[in-house]
Amino acid sequence: NAGVMQNPRHLVRRRGQEARLRCSPMKGHSHVYWYRQLPEEGLKFMVYLQKENIIDESGMPKERFSAEFPKEGPSILRIQQVVRGDSAAYFCASSAGTGGTGELFFGEGSRLTVL
Amino acid sequence: SQQGEEDPQALSIQEGENATMNCSYKTSINNLQWYRQNSGRGLVHLILIRSNEREKHSGRLRVTLDTSKKSSSLLITASRAADTASYFCATVIIQGAQKLVFGQGTRLTINP
Repeated sequence: NAGVMQNPRHLVRRRGQEARLRCSPMKGHSHVYWYRQLPEEGLKFMVYLQKENIIDESGMPKERFSAEFPKEGPSILRIQQVVRGDSAAYFCASSAGTGGTGELFFGEGSRLTVL
Repeated sequence: SQQGEEDPQALSIQEGENATMNCSYKTSINNLQWYRQNSGRGLVHLILIRSNEREKHSGRLRVTLDTSKKSSSLLITASRAADTASYFCATVIIQGAQKLVFGQGTRLTINP
């Protein structure tokens, strides 16, 4: 039983490039969450998706950031024209149930470094 | 601002001692959860306590919840070096799309 799979684990981009982070939820899970974590800080909610739907994107910057969870394939967090302030660890989590009322299962994160 | 705030921000104790971490939150919750994060890794769920529960145990972990004070505590008894990690509380707020909101975490160091 594979857990939540995120790739790449580490990504280096130059300013202005695009970053694509992928997340495959646990088998049977249809709810995906993306969080961002800066060093020595907690996780900040970005977006909550179900298959083909964005449920809550209140934590995601309105420009340059987008997320999707297609009917087939992994969830993608896309950051266009990256800036140094985007450097962080991005965690994906999945759950089976409604909203965030139950336990979340986290991936190991994707660490983005913007040069 | 974060819904949950942990206290203390950092805690260093000797192996074998008990470690207590506290979490305060602002709005009404559905449940409160504690997670652990080892350095450079993802978060791992430890325990969930519902708003109508006051105390819960899991192995060496004991969690309490006081909804009147909007606070929770996590107690780790007989600490081990392997307990060294960051511990986060997370709350599910009632209004809006339900999602987990995390605090800033407590960095726990267990000295052998």
